[in-house]
Amino acid sequence: AQSVSQHNHHVILSEAASLELGCNYSYGGTVNLFWYVQYPGQHLQLLLKYFSGDPLVKGIKGFEAEFIKSKFSFNLRKPSVQWSDTAEYFCAVITSGNTPLVFGKGTRLSVIA
Amino acid sequence: KAGVTQTPRYLIKTRGQQVTLSCSPISGHRSVSWYQQTPGQGLQFLFEYFSETQRNKGNFPGRFSGRQFSNSRSEMNVSTLELGDSALYLCASTPDLNYGYTFGSGTRLTVV
Repeated sequence: AQSVSQHNHHVILSEAASLELGCNYSYGGTVNLFWYVQYPGQHLQLLLKYFSGDPLVKGIKGFEAEFIKSKFSFNLRKPSVQWSDTAEYFCAVITSGNTPLVFGKGTRLSVIA
Repeated sequence: KAGVTQTPRYLIKTRGQQVTLSCSPISGHRSVSWYQQTPGQGLQFLFEYFSETQRNKGNFPGRFSGRQFSNSRSEMNVSTLELGDSALYLCASTPDLNYGYTFGSGTRLTVV
């Protein structure tokens, strides 16, 4: 079964710093990849998704992610974080076929002024 | 367009009791998935339903069950509640995998 690893449990950044959150998955076949965000007290929202095509995917709120198939990675990036980006970020993968969406354990991002 | 609606939002139950949670997907979405979210384990997949059939099941004990109705609404049931069942239970729906999943706000279950 596929699994997803998010290496950073908690990341603390100052405003305007650049962000990169790691995500690796374990599955050798075709995958669909997602990043979700959960702001404090709110429900999970889709940030961006990758199915095929350009491996650099742009999402909402200035986020982007790059799919590197050879590294089984789908890292999330943002050039300049804001205080409002404080949230928990989840990477998720679904493989081709009849499989469920599997999540990583999440990375908590705290942005300080 | 209404989102995924979960009821109730909060629930407090006693050990040994049973509980039923409800999820109404976005209109037109035929697939509904359930997840358990806890601080230590993140989001763990419970089950997925499509057109009233359970398509996938996660690694949870048989005390956890679910069903989907003909209008795509789904319920999950937990019997003989344990303290460790305290969690946020999330429901997500999708019309098709290519669209990604839309999540509800969840039901926060506290078992005392």
